[in-house]
Amino acid sequence: QTVVTQEPSLTVSPGGTVTLTCASSTGAVTSTYYPNWFQQKPGQAPRPLIYSTSNKHSWTPARFSGSLLGGKAALTLSGVQPEDEADYYCLIYYGGGRVFGGGTKVTVL
Amino acid sequence: EVQLVESGGGLVQSGGSLRLSCSASGFTFSSYAMHWVRQAPGKGLEYVSTLSSNGVKTYYADSVKGRFTVSRDNSKNTLYLQMSSLRPEDTAVYYCVKEMGIAGFDYWGQGTLVTVSS
Repeated sequence: QTVVTQEPSLTVSPGGTVTLTCASSTGAVTSTYYPNWFQQKPGQAPRPLIYSTSNKHSWTPARFSGSLLGGKAALTLSGVQPEDEADYYCLIYYGGGRVFGGGTKVTVL
Repeated sequence: EVQLVESGGGLVQSGGSLRLSCSASGFTFSSYAMHWVRQAPGKGLEYVSTLSSNGVKTYYADSVKGRFTVSRDNSKNTLYLQMSSLRPEDTAVYYCVKEMGIAGFDYWGQGTLVTVSS
């Protein structure tokens, strides 16, 4: 069974930068895994941020960026705002099916 | 405006069945693969199932394979999830999600809560 691993929690100061990662138990994450990133706040449906590694949706703030880093998918938040406090999930494509990471809780403090 | 509205959730006993529906509007439903994703109370997101745009190809998470069946009626712009042999661990909010091509997911519904009692 494929497992996708994210940091359980990260803390960042307002205006700071934080990088979240997403690792696959099958090996290195590449662009052919089409990693996606989602933000979820309490009581809300997930909000898509990034698709296909680094592409932003029309509604994605410029401070969010996606990349591949050391064999993992990565989401970087630059110039963090208080409203960025949320849970973040990555999603990996495995030839038809998908697997979500366990999520990272980002605290802005 | 893209809208996805799930319905059919509720309370069911362990071993029972339930059918969820997702009514889509604001896009050409028949052109896009669709997905179901669930989230147990206080837990993370879990991928459940995918159905291709023409209804031919299906994918399921191991946790639901053999118990859940995804289908669609493109004439009604509706996606379905037939759930049987339900277990308490199937208790979750179930989201209907539109695919934007292989690249990923874009639009999500607000979800419908399924509670399986033991």
